[in-house]
Amino acid sequence: QSVLTQAPSASGTPGQRVTISCSGSSSSIGSNAVNWYQQFPGTAPKLLIYNNSQRPSGVPGRFSGSKSGTSASLAISGLQSEDEAIYYCAAWDDSLFGVVFGGGTKLTVL
Amino acid sequence: EVQLVESGGGLVLPGGSLRLACEASGFSFNTYSMNWVRQAPGQGLEWVSFIGSGSTTIYYADSVKGRFTISRDNAKNSLFLQLNSLRAEDTAVYYCARSRGFWTADLWGQGTLVTVSS
Repeated sequence: QSVLTQAPSASGTPGQRVTISCSGSSSSIGSNAVNWYQQFPGTAPKLLIYNNSQRPSGVPGRFSGSKSGTSASLAISGLQSEDEAIYYCAAWDDSLFGVVFGGGTKLTVL
Repeated sequence: EVQLVESGGGLVLPGGSLRLACEASGFSFNTYSMNWVRQAPGQGLEWVSFIGSGSTTIYYADSVKGRFTISRDNAKNSLFLQLNSLRAEDTAVYYCARSRGFWTADLWGQGTLVTVSS
């Protein structure tokens, strides 16, 4: 059971805007920055969003992140078929003295 | 090229040991903190351990504390994970990942598979 909670699946049609949520606690998301990772089958995760809302160079502007209280969200606008992947949120947890991940949300582009 | 390459995975008996290595290239390894993250077959990501650039700060997940040991050799641009007292539930792909800022894993290796089975 993951410390951060994500819905196991999400879906959207091409061009649509999709939001993936991540719920934590006061010691994790409530106190620390949230990162988002994208993972395709059989490959390593890729950093998509860091520090709640910052995009590494090379990540399209269609991807955006936000945080409020003990929850965070990843939004994907102008959904494309190549966005079909699993998305994980992650944050440092001050109580556990470690990094906690969400269980992952599998995004399907219909 | 900036990259991380893991090695050392394989099949090991329950209770056995294994040493994973991660070789870094293309960046100043000695200025970055590093992590190990694992992923069991068909499962999500699980953070395993963190080590600061100078090895003075080290953290472990509760699930591996006392059994796994993280270390690094900055002269050889290498990160290590010693896995002892292995259990079936340790079966996973183990990734090394570079930390940006405090712990943000911004660069990942391709992973090495550890299988614990009799």
